Amino acid sequence: AQKVTQAQTEISVVEKEDVTLDCVYETRDTTYYLFWYKQPPSGELVFLIRRNSFDEQNEISGRYSWNFQKSTSSFNFTITASQVVDSAVYFCALSEIGTGNQFYFGTGTSLTVIP
Amino acid sequence: DAGVIQSPRHEVTEMGQEVTLRCKPISGHNSLFWYRQTMMRGLELLIYFNNNVPIDDSGMPEDRFSAKMPNASFSTLKIQPSEPRDSAVYFCASSLDGGGNNEQFFGPGTRLTVL
Repeated sequence: AQKVTQAQTEISVVEKEDVTLDCVYETRDTTYYLFWYKQPPSGELVFLIRRNSFDEQNEISGRYSWNFQKSTSSFNFTITASQVVDSAVYFCALSEIGTGNQFYFGTGTSLTVIP
Repeated sequence: DAGVIQSPRHEVTEMGQEVTLRCKPISGHNSLFWYRQTMMRGLELLIYFNNNVPIDDSGMPEDRFSAKMPNASFSTLKIQPSEPRDSAVYFCASSLDGGGNNEQFFGPGTRLTVL
């Protein structure tokens, strides 16, 4: 079974629109970590954020914000006032404390911001 | 720090040839991961090491693939013999230590094309 589901394969928005990327995870562990990575067209994977299962506070970093809800097993990522430079593939990942350092990546959401 | 270093960045080879991909993790990081990314399969974990010891190689596709980590600052992924279906981008990543709570930092990847 897929541990991390990113149901949105591709999203297109017009510049300055807000966009939310969904991430749903599955785990039986009580201690786990969630991550978001960005993969721009250049190909490298860039770490964006880490969240542990005990901290459900939402986080904001500039135009980026993350909404972690354990009740729905979701860790959604919102970009406010999107820009062309936000065009990339975004991956959500889960790490369970019981499986050491292994990450489970979602299949990614390809975001295109149209100028 | 220079980040995770991978070489070569691009490799084009013919079917049947041996291919060796190289990775230098971030200094001080104790965990190292090899991933493969394709359009069809997305991002797949091939193998990971903790303190130079292979922990889980269940993602290695078959015996043609092998990985070594002779010391804390160097790892190789070898494919012998290579096949066209091995064409992919291979990423190396490293993280601080075991436990699953540390983000992984990715190298720029090696784009492998097997003709």
